[in-house]
Amino acid sequence: DTAVSQTPKYLVTQMGNDKSIKCEQNLGHDTMYWYKQDSKKFLKIMFSYNNKELIINETVPNRFSPKSPDKAHLNLHINSLELGDSAVYFCASSRRGSTQSPNYGYTFGSGTRLTVV
Amino acid sequence: DQQVKQNSPSLSVQEGRISILNCDYTNSMFDYFLWYKKYPAEGPTFLISISSIKDKNEDGRFTVFLNKSAKHLSLHIVPSQPGDSAVYFCAASLSSYGQNFVFGPGTRLSVLP
Repeated sequence: DTAVSQTPKYLVTQMGNDKSIKCEQNLGHDTMYWYKQDSKKFLKIMFSYNNKELIINETVPNRFSPKSPDKAHLNLHINSLELGDSAVYFCASSRRGSTQSPNYGYTFGSGTRLTVV
Repeated sequence: DQQVKQNSPSLSVQEGRISILNCDYTNSMFDYFLWYKKYPAEGPTFLISISSIKDKNEDGRFTVFLNKSAKHLSLHIVPSQPGDSAVYFCAASLSSYGQNFVFGPGTRLSVLP
């Protein structure tokens, strides 16, 4: 029973197309994220949603638009895809920690490898 | 500007020996650190964490050491096993209840039988 599942696992598409990646978590976490792992293998945060509200929006082109219909889902829509968007995109979720109950980090999905040709 | 650095892209260790993975950070405000392990075609999985109020945290074969003055942490795996072969990411946050973790680029560990 997958905790954080993202689909599709692989996505090959042409430049200029619009595509979506879906993410769902069944852990009851209240926060979800999108991370991008670039060609240098850095994991960089793109967006974070807490209870369906956007709380982190790093410097990401506005061609990328996250959508959170409910706490368990955070989808990523990308318009007008460019070659430089090729990367592995990871969805993650976490429970918001507190001083009494530290945040033990994220649970990641297995990634979506996006290739733009 | 990398706030979290893992200067060794790869490390090879003989089975049964100790693996030491290093991580350095530049932001002295970081207060909470985690290590993640990642196998190919899978997402990273949480391994061990440490808060800045401690200098050591141990969980089975895994121990993380934190040197705040040097802004350095390390992950020790003893004894190393072939199944430990993976990419290890160090991550840092401004607080233990923070939710914006900054990741290092990872170190690929190969444990040779």
